[in-house]
Amino acid sequence: DVKVTQSSRYLVKRTGEKVFLECVQDMDHENMFWYRQDPGLGLRLIYFSYDVKMKEKGDIPEGYSVSREKKERFSLILESASTNQTSMYLCASRREATYGYTFGSGTRLTVV
Amino acid sequence: RKEVEQDPGPFNVPEGATVAFNCTYSNSASQSFFWYRQDCRKEPKLLMSVYSSGNEDGRFTAQLNRASQYISLLIRDSKLSDSATYLCVVMYRDDKIIFGKGTRLHILP
Repeated sequence: DVKVTQSSRYLVKRTGEKVFLECVQDMDHENMFWYRQDPGLGLRLIYFSYDVKMKEKGDIPEGYSVSREKKERFSLILESASTNQTSMYLCASRREATYGYTFGSGTRLTVV
Repeated sequence: RKEVEQDPGPFNVPEGATVAFNCTYSNSASQSFFWYRQDCRKEPKLLMSVYSSGNEDGRFTAQLNRASQYISLLIRDSKLSDSATYLCVVMYRDDKIIFGKGTRLHILP
């Protein structure tokens, strides 16, 4: 089974801090994604990457950036955390377009 | 019309009953379809892909109706452990992926 590992399950950060959320997958998947999930809003795509060094904006990229230096690792960066970025962050990977995602267990981030 | 729409529920169903829910999508240029299951405070997990001819996996049956632009999930002989939120996922030909907001299912003992 593909394993997608997110570095932290729960995180509390202060407003203005730079926050790094790490995601690693172990099955050589090309595609990786970052979503946030909020009650009533569902899953919203922040950024995605189809290859190393490649990144594309999703639907809500503002306030975020990403890094994909190695195929297995896709990092989400909150440049200056704000309280409206309090959310559940989910990383996902997939082999290719017609396959479903495998999600990491999520990082519940609280910005105070 | 929303791109992917699901009845949020909750569906409260007695154990052993059959339950079905639909998901409608607005863009006819949709390529792939999936059902995911998400337990409370956990990540979504792929339940099954949905094929044009319909497909079955144990107690679960997924169907696709392209003409009416909806997919369905049928759960037979429901178990307490089926309680979860079920997310519909639609992928368009340009590889855009849209998640529905989910349907909450509660199986009652």
